[in-house]
Amino acid sequence: DQQVKQNSPSLSVQEGRISILNCDYTNSMFDYFLWYKKYPAEGPTFLISISSIKDKNEDGRFTVFLNKSAKHLSLHIVPSQPGDSAVYFCAASAGMNRDDKIIFGKGTRLHILP
Amino acid sequence: EPEVTQTPSHQVTQMGQEVILRCVPISNHLYFYWYRQILGQKVEFLVSFYNNEISEKSEIFDDQFSVERPDGSNFTLKIRSTKLEDSAMYFCASMWTNYGYTFGSGTRLTVV
Repeated sequence: DQQVKQNSPSLSVQEGRISILNCDYTNSMFDYFLWYKKYPAEGPTFLISISSIKDKNEDGRFTVFLNKSAKHLSLHIVPSQPGDSAVYFCAASAGMNRDDKIIFGKGTRLHILP
Repeated sequence: EPEVTQTPSHQVTQMGQEVILRCVPISNHLYFYWYRQILGQKVEFLVSFYNNEISEKSEIFDDQFSVERPDGSNFTLKIRSTKLEDSAMYFCASMWTNYGYTFGSGTRLTVV
């Protein structure tokens, strides 16, 4: 049962353009959403998050949008840079306890083309 | 910036052998986790640990798995009798009191 779905296994974007990574979830109890970035041979690193009480959170070149009614979130990277080439994991968490586990999607591999 | 350290980076073991994967979480963090990623698949939750006991575990975390924090710094994952399907990248993570996990760089376990 895939509660967090990233339907695009890979995405190629020209340097300087906008990268949009999408994520869908099925569990309506999720109230916190996170994006992680992972380079080869490294663990995922936290990138940006959003609480279910917001619909947008921005941090520099990264913006996450949340559409609760559609159970959909997206990560926008603009402008895309070569160092953004990595695997991006969408993740979600439910419940009031801060130690609740997070559920990861399978990831989307982003290639930034020169 | 504080790091979560995992050792070894790569471990090869024979089927049926016991392995211990080691992690040194960030010192003031309170919550500890093990995740794994089988090649080509998603990162899967194994177990969470808080206040010196398991707070949650997944179906994957069966009787052949155990965790402990023996000395207040190391956080270990033991697999008692490894199977071929245990081959994966194992990630340790720790967290203080917010949702930001800090992951280690992983241990690649290869069972032959």
